[in-house]
Amino acid sequence: ETGVTQTPRHLVMGMTNKKSLKCEQHLGHNAMYWYKQSAKKPLELMFVYNFKEQTENNSVPSRFSPECPNSSHLFLHLHTLQPEDSALYLCASSQRLAGVTYNEQFFGPGTRLTVL
Amino acid sequence: ELKVEQNPLFLSMQEGKNYTIYCNYSTTSDRLYWYRQDPGKSLESLFVLLSNGAVKQEGRLMASLDTKARLSTLHITAAVHDLSATYFCAVDRSGGGADGLTFGKGTHLIIQP
Repeated sequence: ETGVTQTPRHLVMGMTNKKSLKCEQHLGHNAMYWYKQSAKKPLELMFVYNFKEQTENNSVPSRFSPECPNSSHLFLHLHTLQPEDSALYLCASSQRLAGVTYNEQFFGPGTRLTVL
Repeated sequence: ELKVEQNPLFLSMQEGKNYTIYCNYSTTSDRLYWYRQDPGKSLESLFVLLSNGAVKQEGRLMASLDTKARLSTLHITAAVHDLSATYFCAVDRSGGGADGLTFGKGTHLIIQP
């Protein structure tokens, strides 16, 4: 595997289900991100992890719960979602270097989530 | 709140023509990114612009950054069908790197033969 991978690629779930999205980066990066891409809206940042520590939660409802067990893996746990949560969920990673302030992010293919 | 605005949001053009996509942002920043997204695919990094006056070119695409005007442009020269995609610009949410990006809504570009 190369780059950033995400599984599953498609997910259909009911509002009472619990599911998890998985992201793995094979780039040796130390920062990972979750974004939400909805129709007619810009990409929205959800969570930021630097060196496995969550450094940003962009006012995301608690029905979304991230987990970052190590710098290569990132999960998004989902429970009691709403139909409006249906979207493409994108994972990204970047390399945080001392003294370097730019942040080129590399994206995975996304998980297309449908909540019924 | 950082805002990033792109225009146009939709562009249909013929092969061989030139056009420019504009990206305005609302805060001081000297780091701007351009991405491409094909239908059903993820985002592909195109350009990273890191200073005022930065210009980068790759094939028929050229990006520039004017931090004083808070404006970046993506210029397409002699468009070809393969460049049909959605193009996003993005700005760092805060200084220091390794933070999230704020994206524009994207420009959906269709290039017709």
